Amino acid sequence: GENVEQHPSTLSVQEGDSAVIKCTYSDSASNYFPWYKQELGKRPQLIIDIRSNVGEKKDQRIAVTLNKTAKHFSLHITETQPEDSAVYFCAANEGESRSRLPGHNTDKLIFGTGTRLQVFP
Amino acid sequence: ETGVTQTPRHLVMGMTNKKSLKCEQHLGHNAMYWYKQSAKKPLELMFVYSLEERVENNSVPSRFSPECPNSSHLFLHLHTLQPEDSALYLCASSQGPRGQPSMNTEAFFGQGTRLTVV
Repeated sequence: GENVEQHPSTLSVQEGDSAVIKCTYSDSASNYFPWYKQELGKRPQLIIDIRSNVGEKKDQRIAVTLNKTAKHFSLHITETQPEDSAVYFCAANEGESRSRLPGHNTDKLIFGTGTRLQVFP
Repeated sequence: ETGVTQTPRHLVMGMTNKKSLKCEQHLGHNAMYWYKQSAKKPLELMFVYSLEERVENNSVPSRFSPECPNSSHLFLHLHTLQPEDSALYLCASSQGPRGQPSMNTEAFFGQGTRLTVV
């Protein structure tokens, strides 16, 4: 099955600096890689995702890069702001559907251990 | 609000109690999930329901019993829990492309139930 490792576990940056969080995965058949942000006391929310047919995706100050050969993907946040402070989770889907029911492609999302990002003003 | 509502938000129960967690989604999604989030481990997938059929059970102890009476509601029945079961329990839902249930699209999470077993 899929194994996702995430680094670093904690990250502190000064406001305006960039932050980079890296994840590696083991299942070469994985093709979907979302990133979730969880603010203190709140639910995880999707901030950006990437599929294996692209190498990079950008949305304003957030970008994600994917290296399928090396099986790693990274989240880049530029011009960080205090409101970026949160726990960030990467995830990868299991490449093969293990559903018992025909036609039900419920691939599991395997999450990384999370990175606590703190942005100091 | 993302459209996924969980109740209760907080629950304290004894090891001999029986309680249930409830999740309701108003997004018209066809797949629902239970996750466990604790300080020591990342988001752990417990159960997956696809079109009201359980399709995944990640070796979860039998003291956790899920129920999905329809595509909008998901329950997690709890009995004879252990203190190590104390955690945040998150419900999520998703809608795959072309009407097929799939986690390869955005999963919407509820706010979770903070469970403490004493």
